[in-house]
This record gives sequence, C-alpha cells and structure tokens, in this order.
Amino acid sequence: DTEVTQTPKHLVMGMTNKKSLKCEQHMGHRAMYWYKQKAKKPPELMFVYSYEKLSINESVPSRFSPECPNSSLLNLHLHALQPEDSALYLCASSQRERVNTGELFFGEGSRLTVL
Amino acid sequence: AQRVTQPEKLLSVFKGAPVELKCNYSYSGSPELFWYVQYSRQRLQLLLRHISRESIKGFTADLNKGETSFHLKKPFAQEEDSAMYYCALRRSGSSNTGKLIFGQGTTLQVKP
Repeated sequence: DTEVTQTPKHLVMGMTNKKSLKCEQHMGHRAMYWYKQKAKKPPELMFVYSYEKLSINESVPSRFSPECPNSSLLNLHLHALQPEDSALYLCASSQRERVNTGELFFGEGSRLTVL
Repeated sequence: AQRVTQPEKLLSVFKGAPVELKCNYSYSGSPELFWYVQYSRQRLQLLLRHISRESIKGFTADLNKGETSFHLKKPFAQEEDSAMYYCALRRSGSSNTGKLIFGQGTTLQVKP
C-alpha cells in the first residue's frame, strides 16, 4: 500500500460544530504532515509529526487540534471554525522528517466548507 | 527567510514546443529543491528532486546556485503534461526540519 488515505473527502460544518479529519498511511513512514490549501494557492504547512510527536506547529489557531494516535494515523480535530477556514486540507507522509531528499506522499485531501 | 518564486501563473504552449517553468529561490544555506505536480483530479505528487539529477517524463531541472534557480524544462511538451507545477524548497543537512515551502505554482497548458 503506497497511498495516503484521507477521510472524509468532503465535509460541511457549522461554526459551532466539532468534527475531525482523518489520515492513514501504511508505508511505515514516521513523519506525517497537515497542509492547508486555499483555491489556486500553494499548500501551506500547518503541523508536522515526527515519531508520533508534534515537531512543528506553524502558529496554527487552537481551533485546529492535531493528534497522532499511532504511527499510521493522523487526525485533525476541528472546533469553532470560521468561514475563512474553508479550504482543502492535505495530509502527507514521509519516511522520516529530517532525512534529506525525503519525498512527501500526499493524500487527495479533505475539502472543508465552514458555514 | 526562505522563499520560492514562480513568476508565471500560467504558461501556455503548443504540443511539441519546448517548455521552461521558472523557479527562483532565496535561502542563505544549502537548499533541497523539488518539483511537485498536480494533474487534474489527482493528488499532488513528486516529479523531480535536484539531488537525483534524473529525468522524469522527459522533464529535467538543474540547480543553479549562482542564479538561485531551479527551472523545469522539457524539450517537447505533450498534452498530458498539462497540470499545476509547484517548485518547493527545504533546508538540508542539520537545518532540515521537514518543512517544505512551496512556490505559488504555475499552470502549464499544452494545446493540441
């Protein structure tokens, strides 16, 4: 299995809802990432997990809460989001965080709409 | 600060014409550079990395440290090359944090 799988593919939520995005990989990768991508813009890094520990938080608002329960899973918990948080959320993984030339494998993304 | 600049939002060429997608970067250290591609309705995927010095799908890219550039080239464009192309940079060596910084992207449109 050489894919990163994200669920759900689409999510619509109100500003008071709590929801989660899920990401799974079975490539034995020990680094996992959340990126946010707005329409016609490049992906922007949100979080990096390395060996299930949070390594980088790019000053993301606390209404986004990442979780890495094991080496294959990465969650992004969403609470009290704003309409401007509507975007495509991409999960990615790589063998290790700090290995040079490490390729990132991306999922197809979860398209989030906040009403 | 690290920055990646792709000056063209859209590059439109005819099939069989040469293609050059420009990428310039700013970083005082030693960077790793990549080209990622996103075809319509497909996930973002790695096309090339500078350290491999390989040709993928006929594309090549050479790191020019003097000009701080990493332009992507292909001598004869094909319609299936139409996609969004992102140049990306990461710090290498002991400064490597796993953080990949993307340029704004260039849409390549290859007309028949």
